[in-house]
Amino acid sequence: AQTVTQSQPEMSVQEAETVTLSCTYDTSESDYYLFWYKQPPSRQMILVIRQEAYKQQNATENRFSVNFQKAAKSFSLKISDSQLGDAAMYFCAYRSYSGGSNYKLTFGKGTLLTVNP
Amino acid sequence: KAGVTQTPRYLIKTRGQQVTLSCSPISGHRSVSWYQQTPGQGLQFLFEYFSETQRNKGNFPGRFSGRQFSNSRSEMNVSTLELGDSALYLCASSLSGQDYNEQFFGPGTRLTVL
Repeated sequence: AQTVTQSQPEMSVQEAETVTLSCTYDTSESDYYLFWYKQPPSRQMILVIRQEAYKQQNATENRFSVNFQKAAKSFSLKISDSQLGDAAMYFCAYRSYSGGSNYKLTFGKGTLLTVNP
Repeated sequence: KAGVTQTPRYLIKTRGQQVTLSCSPISGHRSVSWYQQTPGQGLQFLFEYFSETQRNKGNFPGRFSGRQFSNSRSEMNVSTLELGDSALYLCASSLSGQDYNEQFFGPGTRLTVL
């Protein structure tokens, strides 16, 4: 079974600064997806960024980028130019590449990000 | 296009009762997944339905069940409620669940068991 670990329960960053959230995972599969989701106080889960394991290039979405280290099974999220609206709980998640019976998301425990003005 | 909707948004029940939660996916989405979110256990996968069939199931007792209708709307039912069932229940829909189809989450139903 796959596991996802987020070792930082809480992080804080100053507005306009950069912060990196850590995530490690364990799997015996070679093909899979990794995601970062954001859950603000409204509780609506929002996809921030995804990474396909077979792609060596790190994914980037505007101010959000990842550092994907497949051999180390590490998947960190970097938020640049942090904004007050980035304050939320961030979840790292894993999904098997094959759909069908493997289709489910396995989440880490989350990292609560605070952005200070 | 309307997002995923869940009803009710808040629910209070007492131990021993049963409850039914509803999820309406985004139009055209055929896969609906349910997750339980608690402070202690985090987010855990309950089950996934596709074309009215349960395709995946997480490690939850048989008190947790679900179904999907021909219009892809899904319901989950929890019988004989326990205090530990208090949680935020999230549903997520996607086109098919195959390959990469992004899952879109609803706002959740907050269930409190007294």
